[in-house]
Amino acid sequence: DAGVIQSPRHEVTEMGQEVTLRCKPISGHNSLFWYRQTMMRGLELLIYFNNNVPIDDSGMPEDRFSAKMPNASFSTLKIQPSEPRDSAVYFCASSLGAGSGYTFGSGTRLTVV
Amino acid sequence: QQQVKQSPQSLIVQKGGISIINCAYENTAFDYFPWYQQFPGKGPALLIAIRPDVSEKKEGRFTISFNKSAKQFSLHIMDSQPGDSATYFCAARIIQGAQKLVFGQGTRLTINP
Repeated sequence: DAGVIQSPRHEVTEMGQEVTLRCKPISGHNSLFWYRQTMMRGLELLIYFNNNVPIDDSGMPEDRFSAKMPNASFSTLKIQPSEPRDSAVYFCASSLGAGSGYTFGSGTRLTVV
Repeated sequence: QQQVKQSPQSLIVQKGGISIINCAYENTAFDYFPWYQQFPGKGPALLIAIRPDVSEKKEGRFTISFNKSAKQFSLHIMDSQPGDSATYFCAARIIQGAQKLVFGQGTRLTINP
């Protein structure tokens, strides 16, 4: 099992540009989570999906952020337009049902200049 | 009520010593308490987890102690090693329904050789 796969590993973009982060969850896992990690705020849950359906997006900071999960094996997190304060490490995680631990990907380090 | 409060923020322990990280929660509906370990440049990884029907769980040098009445739980690392230097996160989740983990703020642990 390759684990949760995120791409790209690093992204540097200019303010105002669109950024798309990608995630492939572990096959068979039915829950997918997007987190943002910063020194100041720690790990913040942005949005999560159960069976490809968004369940809770209350952590999405503003309308500039959107997430989709078109099928069980792929999800995207898009920021448009990006701002310097969006600079952080973004993690995707997946899990199988209640009582299971999350498996995190290696993250995407986003720098907006 | 959804918060998990973790302390200390950072901890320095000598090699061979005992590292102790504490967490407290308010929501009595939480019934699954995992600990995650994160090395630089990596995503958090599940280390050990406990359910509130037991007061202690041990896996190798890692032990979770759980005090249901005080709504507190802690991670003990016995015979701490330099390779244990990492950031540790406690978390809590309601197994039924939302399946959403609430994370503590993290503890940066440094083991001095």
